[in-house]
Amino acid sequence: GNSVTQMEGPVTLSEEAFLTINCTYTATGYPSLFWYVQYPGEGLQLLLKATKADDKGSNKGFEATYRKETTSFHLEKGSVQVSDSAVYFCALSPYNFNKFYFGSGTKLNVKP
Amino acid sequence: DAGVTQSPTHLIKTRGQHVTLRCSPISGHKSVSWYQQVLGQGPQFIFQYYEKEERGRGNFPDRFSARQFPNYSSELNVNALLLGDSALYLCASSLGQVDEAFFGQGTRLTVV
Repeated sequence: GNSVTQMEGPVTLSEEAFLTINCTYTATGYPSLFWYVQYPGEGLQLLLKATKADDKGSNKGFEATYRKETTSFHLEKGSVQVSDSAVYFCALSPYNFNKFYFGSGTKLNVKP
Repeated sequence: DAGVTQSPTHLIKTRGQHVTLRCSPISGHKSVSWYQQVLGQGPQFIFQYYEKEERGRGNFPDRFSARQFPNYSSELNVNALLLGDSALYLCASSLGQVDEAFFGQGTRLTVV
């Protein structure tokens, strides 16, 4: 079946620290992988995506590489800001956006 | 441009009642999907509609139903509400059945 596992939070960092949020997946076939961000009181916003193995998605300083051999899609950012505080969701879609399977979310708190 | 709009934003219902949630997709988008996000968890897929036909259904009881109208807006109906139905209900729209999905801000349903 299809599932996503991501590291539990909350993750608390100081401003300008390096961020890694781990995500691994189980899927049939060749899924597309995504990171979504949810700010308090808001819906989900697409942060980045990768549609095939070895693709690197990037946006707003965040990066994630689709690793088929380790079934992983870890989110990284070199220097976090207070404004990055939010909940981050890793997700896969086995039919390229048709249906999403989400992880449980990782809350990030960035302190000044 | 207007994004995905959902109404109402908040709702309180009593156990056993019925509820209708509404979603207007981005103009030109023909696909609408519904997700349930219980507090502290990732969203779970409920339905996808494309061109007014159901194209996918998640593991939810028959108390949950939906439809899509000729203008591509959609309603999610839940009968015989249970306390466990309390959640944020998210609507996502996409241009086609397998295109990038854009999420609304959600309807917060509380069942008391």
